[in-house]
Amino acid sequence: AQSVTQPDIHITVSEGASLELRCNYSYGATPYLFWYVQSPGQGLQLLLKYFSGDTLVQGIKGFEAEFKRSQSSFNLRKPSVHWSDAAEYFCAVVKMDSSYKLIFGSGTRLLVRP
Amino acid sequence: ETGVTQSPTHLIKTRGQQVTLRCSSQSGHNTVSWYQQALGQGPQFIFQYYREEENGRGNFPPRFSGLQFPNYSSELNVNALELDDSALYLCASSFSGGDEQFFGPGTRLTVL
Repeated sequence: AQSVTQPDIHITVSEGASLELRCNYSYGATPYLFWYVQSPGQGLQLLLKYFSGDTLVQGIKGFEAEFKRSQSSFNLRKPSVHWSDAAEYFCAVVKMDSSYKLIFGSGTRLLVRP
Repeated sequence: ETGVTQSPTHLIKTRGQQVTLRCSSQSGHNTVSWYQQALGQGPQFIFQYYREEENGRGNFPPRFSGLQFPNYSSELNVNALELDDSALYLCASSFSGGDEQFFGPGTRLTVL
């Protein structure tokens, strides 16, 4: 069955430091992968997506993610974190059967130290 | 272009009651998906509607039901509310499933 694992529940980084959020997926075929961000009291905003092609994907707000099939990973990175990046981050994989549903990980909460 | 909107923002109900949540999809979108996000967890798929028909359902009991209207807006109905139904309910719209689902801000349901 398709699943997504985000091993880190919380991550704290200093403002200006680099960031990497981990995501591992389980999927039989080539996965469609997403990263979403959720600020307190708000819905989910898409940061980036991977369907095929170049394994390094650029997104909004300076984020990027790299698809590594051999490691079943799709880690999110940012070279320099801003205080406004503090939020909850969710990795998701699409499961396609009769519908087109997103299977989410449990999320990683990012805290940014001034 | 109007984004996905949901109403109400917050709702408090008691166990055993029924609730209806509403979602207006983004302009041009014909598919609506509903997700339940319990505190501290990722969203879980409830069901999806495409052109007024349910075309997929997650692991939720039948007391969770929905509708999609000709204008592609949607309702989520939950009967016989239980304490565990307390969660943020998210609606997402897309075009024919599509490659991106656009999420609304959610409805926070509290069951006492």
